Amino acid sequence: DGGITQSPKYLFRKEGQNVTLSCEQNLNHDAMYWYRQDPGQGLRLIYYSQIVNDFQKGDIAEGYSVSREKKESFPLTVTSAQKNPTAFYLCASSPWTASYGYTFGSGTRLTVV
Amino acid sequence: DAKTTQPNSMESNEEEPVHLPCNHSTISGTDYIHWYRQLPSQGPEYVIHGLTSNVNNRMASLAIAEDRKSSTLILHRATLRDAAVYYCILTNSGGSNYKLTFGKGTLLTVNP
Repeated sequence: DGGITQSPKYLFRKEGQNVTLSCEQNLNHDAMYWYRQDPGQGLRLIYYSQIVNDFQKGDIAEGYSVSREKKESFPLTVTSAQKNPTAFYLCASSPWTASYGYTFGSGTRLTVV
Repeated sequence: DAKTTQPNSMESNEEEPVHLPCNHSTISGTDYIHWYRQLPSQGPEYVIHGLTSNVNNRMASLAIAEDRKSSTLILHRATLRDAAVYYCILTNSGGSNYKLTFGKGTLLTVNP
């Protein structure tokens, strides 16, 4: 079955450490996205990529970095520069045309301890 | 980006129809109306989308006003599994705007 896989589901990080969240899709979608969700809030866009080797900052990119070396993969690194990294992180993908639906992964819950 | 307005919360009883409203008065002619829902601790799930005509699928129906400034997601018979946050989102089919902008959505509570 096609879909998006995010791993791990839960992640704990010590303050000052970088951590990388994985996102893999086998839907042959061109575009991929990372969103952050805080309790009781909507989703906020961190980064997005419409094509391999290219990505754009979203609304809250500070303290995060991404890469898009393969169409299937779009890992997100939460760096030590992110002041409040504890959140629920969601990866999504879409075909090139926005008229089709977006597919989301099941999320990674990151907690800084 | 065109903005949508939804009620913060709604309540329904099991096996009754639910009508979830969404206002989008600044919608442009090329904006699609998408609905997603999010169950607790899960990623959002696509529900339905439309442009001008009403749409039906196995999950729900989407009724779009003639002037397209509002729409309604209809769950014909609510079940406990339909309890979720429902997001109404506009996406532009033209240009390079593929980003989704999520508001807080409508929290639907379904009573047994």
